[in-house]
Amino acid sequence: DGGITQSPKYLFRKEGQNVTLSCEQNLNHDAMYWYRQDPGQGLRLIYYSQIVNDFQKGDIAEGYSVSREKKESFPLTVTSAQKNPTAFYLCASSPAPGTALTYEQYFGPGTRLTVT
Amino acid sequence: QKEVEQDPGPLSVPEGAIVSLNCTYSNSAFQYFMWYRQYSRKGPELLMYTYSSGNKEDGRFTAQVDKSSKYISLFIRDSQPSDSATYLCAMSGATSGTYKYIFGTGTRLKVLA
Repeated sequence: DGGITQSPKYLFRKEGQNVTLSCEQNLNHDAMYWYRQDPGQGLRLIYYSQIVNDFQKGDIAEGYSVSREKKESFPLTVTSAQKNPTAFYLCASSPAPGTALTYEQYFGPGTRLTVT
Repeated sequence: QKEVEQDPGPLSVPEGAIVSLNCTYSNSAFQYFMWYRQYSRKGPELLMYTYSSGNKEDGRFTAQVDKSSKYISLFIRDSQPSDSATYLCAMSGATSGTYKYIFGTGTRLKVLA
């Protein structure tokens, strides 16, 4: 089965701790994305990567970090510097960034992070 | 002003009704217009996309784009309780060499049996 997996589904952390969210895809897609979803605010882009070993900040990158060492993996670290980290985090991928093929994004099931 | 505006709802309709979901946008550079469906606590899934203006039909779903008015719509015919979900519009295009892919905030739809 081709798709995007995110783990874990639910994650609980104490304030002040860094936490890493996993995202893996076997769709052979070049581009990968991290979004945050909060009630009433829709999807907000945190980071995106168009190729291995390269990534760019999205609209709300502060307090987050990413890496893209392999094409199929794009982990997101929520650091203690993120002031309001409790949210639903979604990872997505698309086949060809910045071209006519980029009408589609495929999403994982999401990770709900709760920080207390 | 947000680049994409979408009424959050909730929109409640009886089973069998025709549903109309809409988004407005401000950036004329957008070329692709998408509709995603998101069930509660799940990731969004792409329903339909349209390139530039016009209509596109897929079963009970019709997507409509009016670029002159910067207005897009999704119509659902013969709505079913299983259509109850949040519907997100999205649009993409390049502006001054920068590629953008923007989502609306989503409209929550409830179809009542």
